[in-house]
Amino acid sequence: GESVGLHLPTLSVQEGDNSIINCAYSNSASDYFIWYKQESGKGPQFIIDIRSNMDKRQGQRVTVLLNKTVKHLSLQIAATQPGDSAVYFCAVSNSGGSNYKLTFGKGTLLTVNP
Amino acid sequence: NAGVTQTPKFQVLKTGQSMTLQCAQDMNHEYMSWYRQDPGMGLRLIHYSVGAGITDQGEVPNGYNVSRSTTEDFPLRLLSAAPSQTSVYFCASRRTGSTRNQPQHFGDGTRLSIL
Repeated sequence: GESVGLHLPTLSVQEGDNSIINCAYSNSASDYFIWYKQESGKGPQFIIDIRSNMDKRQGQRVTVLLNKTVKHLSLQIAATQPGDSAVYFCAVSNSGGSNYKLTFGKGTLLTVNP
Repeated sequence: NAGVTQTPKFQVLKTGQSMTLQCAQDMNHEYMSWYRQDPGMGLRLIHYSVGAGITDQGEVPNGYNVSRSTTEDFPLRLLSAAPSQTSVYFCASRRTGSTRNQPQHFGDGTRLSIL
């Protein structure tokens, strides 16, 4: 099966700093990875995804890095803003098996201090 | 487009009562799913559907039923509510088709308390 963990349950940063949120996964067959942001009282919101044929993918102020050798995934947020305060989840799936099932990590609470 | 719409937003039930959580999407997504979110547990898959008339079990299906009579709707039924089913329930949908890897889009959840 798949287990997904996060290295830190909470992360506190100063406004303007860069944030790095980490995620480890266990199944080497996992080939699709997603980061979600969840604000209080809302559902998870898609941020960025990456497939296993890539090591890095960039979006607007966000970068996802994938290290398949050590089964590690990270989300980098540049110039963190108060609006980035939320819980961040990584999720992984294996399209070689049932691609319909995502396994979610437990989440990291990001707090941005003004 | 409204995206994924869940109703109700909040519900309190007594043990043994039944109810249906509604989920509708207007994106013509083939795949729909239900998750529950508990403190410290992340999101866990209850049931999912890859198209109208097709449903399958996820990680924690016991105590829940689903049906998929249309592409748009995917209701989740609690047959006899138990306190262990107190949770926040999220519905999600995504496209399938030739591109297998697509992100799921989530509703804003139903907060359910069983007394």
